[in-house]
Amino acid sequence: QQQVKQSPQSLIVQKGGISIINCAYENTAFDYFPWYQQFPGKGPALLIAIRPDVSEKKEGRFTISFNKSAKQFSLHIMDSQPGDSATYFCAAREGSYIPTFGRGTSLIVHP
Amino acid sequence: DSGVTQTPKHLITATGQRVTLRCSPRSGDLSVYWYQQSLDQGLQFLIQYYNGEERAKGNILERFSAQQFPDLHSELNLSSLELGDSALYFCASSGPGTSAGELFFGEGSRLTVL
Repeated sequence: QQQVKQSPQSLIVQKGGISIINCAYENTAFDYFPWYQQFPGKGPALLIAIRPDVSEKKEGRFTISFNKSAKQFSLHIMDSQPGDSATYFCAAREGSYIPTFGRGTSLIVHP
Repeated sequence: DSGVTQTPKHLITATGQRVTLRCSPRSGDLSVYWYQQSLDQGLQFLIQYYNGEERAKGNILERFSAQQFPDLHSELNLSSLELGDSALYFCASSGPGTSAGELFFGEGSRLTVL
């Protein structure tokens, strides 16, 4: 049973465009929602994270939007750059339990 | 560099064989996690150890086992290998100094079973 559903599976964006990746969850006890970025040949690395007491968090060109009532959260990458080409994983965690990861989105940003 | 070291980076073996993957966590991190990454399944949690003790178990096959040693390094043992075990295996660590559950991943061990 997939507890965190991530879409799309792949995404192609032109340089300067906006990349949007969506995730949905069922467990209302989740209280921490991180996004991880993985470059080819590397392990995932934390990019940005949010807690459900805020609706948005922004760090540079990366923004998480969180909709608690809809049980959805999304990653927006503004002014996408070729260097942003990577696989992005959303995740959700309840307390100190093991985080559950989405299946990942492969983002390609064309120059 | 996450500070998590995994060896070997690549491993090619045959069906029915046994392999051991090794992980050294970040200095000071007591928790070690093992994940399997395949194209169609994303990141699947296998098992977690905390200071030498098994803390949580995920979708780990009975053919797989792990342990964490007193020096906190961990090993994942995969036996009776099947073609479907071909995947990237990641180790991650976390510790009391990390913010709210951040996991630090190694670069992975790519296992190919022929």
